[in-house]
Amino acid sequence: EAGVAQSPRYKIIEKRQSVAFWCNPISGHATLYWYQQILGQGPKLLIQFQNNGVVDDSQLPKDRFSAERLKGVDSTLKIQPAKLEDSAVYLCASSFATGLFSYEQYFGPGTRLTVT
Amino acid sequence: GENVEQHPSTLSVQEGDSAVIKCTYSDSASNYFPWYKQELGKRPQLIIDIRSNVGEKKDQRIAVTLNKTAKHFSLHITETQPEDSAVYFCAARTNAGKSTFGDGTTLTVKP
Repeated sequence: EAGVAQSPRYKIIEKRQSVAFWCNPISGHATLYWYQQILGQGPKLLIQFQNNGVVDDSQLPKDRFSAERLKGVDSTLKIQPAKLEDSAVYLCASSFATGLFSYEQYFGPGTRLTVT
Repeated sequence: GENVEQHPSTLSVQEGDSAVIKCTYSDSASNYFPWYKQELGKRPQLIIDIRSNVGEKKDQRIAVTLNKTAKHFSLHITETQPEDSAVYFCAARTNAGKSTFGDGTTLTVKP
């Protein structure tokens, strides 16, 4: 089975520029997550989708970050404008479902963002 | 919100020894506790998980224990090998699927 796909793998931008990341989850996975992983830290949840609806975006800096999951499959995460502290790896993950029985999350390879 | 603390931040053991990593969580609604292994430059990979209705789970050299009353869970690796060297993350997840991760433990296994 194909895994979670992400692109690009690497991105270097200057501060105040904008950037977008793309994620394609495993086929049939209803739940999609975006995480930010700063060097030396654990992944931090930015936003969680269930199909095309947002379940949790409490830690998403909404003044500069936005995400969408049109049609409940692929998702894009955008940063505009970027700040130096946004330098991190952005991980996308998907799982079959959530609820009473939690299912394993499968992570994509991540996008390493460097803001200069 | 949920807070997950992980200790130690670094751990160095001799090949063949055991390694133990501990995590505590704050949200009693958390009911699923996965452990991930992340090698340098790679994605986190699930190595073992435990649900809140189970106290212990074992898979070959890896085991996880959960104490719901004390809100802590631990990863045990026995007979460590150099290829076990990596960063290990614990996480706590609620029914809604929200996962909170610890800050990781860098395990080094010396040959």
